[in-house]
Parts: sequence; structure tokens; C-alpha cells
Amino acid sequence: EPEVTQTPSHQVTQMGQEVILHCVPISNHLYFYWYRQILGQKVEFLVSFYNNEISEKSEIFDDQFSVERPDGSNFTLKIRSTKLEDSAMYFCASSPQGSSYNEQFFGPGTRLTVL
Amino acid sequence: KNQVEQSPQSLIILEGKNCTLQCNYTVSPFSNLRWYKQDTGRGPVSLTIMTFSENTKSNGRYTATLDADTKQSSLHITASQLSDSASYICVVSEYGNAGNMLTFGGGTRLMVKP
Repeated sequence: EPEVTQTPSHQVTQMGQEVILHCVPISNHLYFYWYRQILGQKVEFLVSFYNNEISEKSEIFDDQFSVERPDGSNFTLKIRSTKLEDSAMYFCASSPQGSSYNEQFFGPGTRLTVL
Repeated sequence: KNQVEQSPQSLIILEGKNCTLQCNYTVSPFSNLRWYKQDTGRGPVSLTIMTFSENTKSNGRYTATLDADTKQSSLHITASQLSDSASYICVVSEYGNAGNMLTFGGGTRLMVKP
């Protein structure tokens, strides 16, 4: 069964460094998403992406964040200058269509630790 | 502000027993409500998706109910198994949201003991 994959599973970085989190969505899906979950807190929406453009973004997704689909299979989240509060689990998700009814399939997550 | 609240926060039951988890939401306009299962350190996995016209939906031993008037949902787990130990998250989607932004509840952490 196709699934969303994410790498690395765990990323440790120093405050102020740039990190790039990688996701490979399910191959025939068109809509891509990033979420984060700070330890012990709710999952929070960051951004949705379709047709090489950001569809929506939350207030969390400020100028230090960016997303890219560099080729036909990868979808990346870049954090330019990490802060301690960026430490969280980051989940990528994809869906075949963008209607609000469509199921989103989540990856296993990347745990980001900022020291 | 859209909110999704779940209760209880945590629950311990014995293997084989049934349990019911609750969800209240204030998301408007409402499109659909989802229940996800999230194992520790893993991504959420969808159990059910319900629109406002659906009162109940089952997926194996999981049965979700929805009352769109009172904005409440429940997830009933029948004959629990050890593998049911996980967090169960109620998620609501807003109608007309092109980006399909979801509002997540805080989850109920279920532990099934032998």
C-alpha cells in the first residue's frame, strides 16, 4: 500500500541553523501539507501546497519557513534560522484532491530537536 | 476561533472492554469530522470521515457518531485489544477551505491493559 515517507526520522540542530525536512508524498496525490506537533500539544496546521504554490498557511508559517517541490516526487519544508521553540514533530501529509472532504495521508514524522 | 475539545484526556481500560471517547467542536462552517488514531511517535491514521448528513459510521470495531446540531461526536471502540493503545484525535474540516486546513483536538490517550 502506498504511503507517505519522511526523512530524516530525527534531526538535531543548533539554534540559528537552517534545516530542511524531506517528504515523499504518495505518487498520484496533488495536494501536500505540513503540520507540526510540539511535545504534549495538539497537531497544528502549517501550510498546504498545490500546483507549485502555497494554498493556505497558518500564522505559525512565518518568513522563516518555506516549502518547495524541487522535483516530481519530493516536498520539502525549510526552516531558515531555527529557534528553540521550533523543536517539534513535523508531519507531512498528502491527499489526491483538495476538497475539504478528502482524506489526508500522514507520514511518520520527523522529530526536530533544536539545541 | 475554531476549536476542537476532547474528553477524557486519558483512559485506561482492560482488554476486551468497550469505551467511548467524546469530541466537541466549534468549527464553522462545518464540512466534515474525522477520527484519527496516532501511535506514539507516528503520524495520524484515519479511522472515519463523516459529513454533517452522516449520523454514524463504522470501521471494524470503531464506530463514530456525529450530532451536527449539538456539534458533538463520539468514537466507540468495541472489544478493545492491546493494539488499540494509542491517542485518538478528533479533527474537523472547515467547509469551503480550499487548502483543506484541519483543526485538531488534543486527543484522548487510550491505554488497554491485559
